[in-house]
Amino acid sequence: EDQVTQSPEALRLQEGESSSLNCSYTVSGLRGLFWYRQDPGKGPEFLFTLYSAGEEKEKERLKATLTKKESFLHITAPKPEDSATYLCAVRGNSNSGYALNFGKGTSLLVTP
Amino acid sequence: GAGVSQSPSNKVTEKGKDVELRCDPISGHTALYWYRQSLGQGLEFLIYFQGNSAPDKSGLPSDRFSAERTGGSVSTLTIQRTQQEDSAVYLCASSAGLAASYEQYFGPGTRLTVT
Repeated sequence: EDQVTQSPEALRLQEGESSSLNCSYTVSGLRGLFWYRQDPGKGPEFLFTLYSAGEEKEKERLKATLTKKESFLHITAPKPEDSATYLCAVRGNSNSGYALNFGKGTSLLVTP
Repeated sequence: GAGVSQSPSNKVTEKGKDVELRCDPISGHTALYWYRQSLGQGLEFLIYFQGNSAPDKSGLPSDRFSAERTGGSVSTLTIQRTQQEDSAVYLCASSAGLAASYEQYFGPGTRLTVT
């Protein structure tokens, strides 16, 4: 069965203080690892898809990396508007291979 | 363009009543997914549609849950004889196809409270 574990559960950063969020996973037949951002009261917003170990993708202050066992979301010089819950999900061979299997998320708070 | 929309945004119902939750996917998206997000839990997959067909219903929590999709567009998730443990945010997502390269775009969700 696919498993996704995110750490830490919550993270508080000062504006400009860079850090990383971790997503550890076990999956049968990785078809993709996904990062989403979720603001309170809203649905998840797509950020990145990674398909194979060694792959990296960047968007503004965010950079996602992937190994065979985990993914990191690096946040460089965060701003208060980066405050949100960041969700990691994998897609493997379970659930017919089409569903996303999500972790519980990391709640990020960036203070001025 | 318009994103995924869901209605109602909030629903409060009494235990034992039936509820219907609606999802309007992005126009042209053939794949549609339902997830459930409970307090303190991650998103839980319920069911997916390719066109009007739902090949695998094993993610539905019980036989009180059912879903249908008509015209390859709107989908309805129905919960019969609601229980308090059904209280959650129900999220719908759509994508242009089933391959992993197609991002799943989520709606804002329906918050269901069973009293």
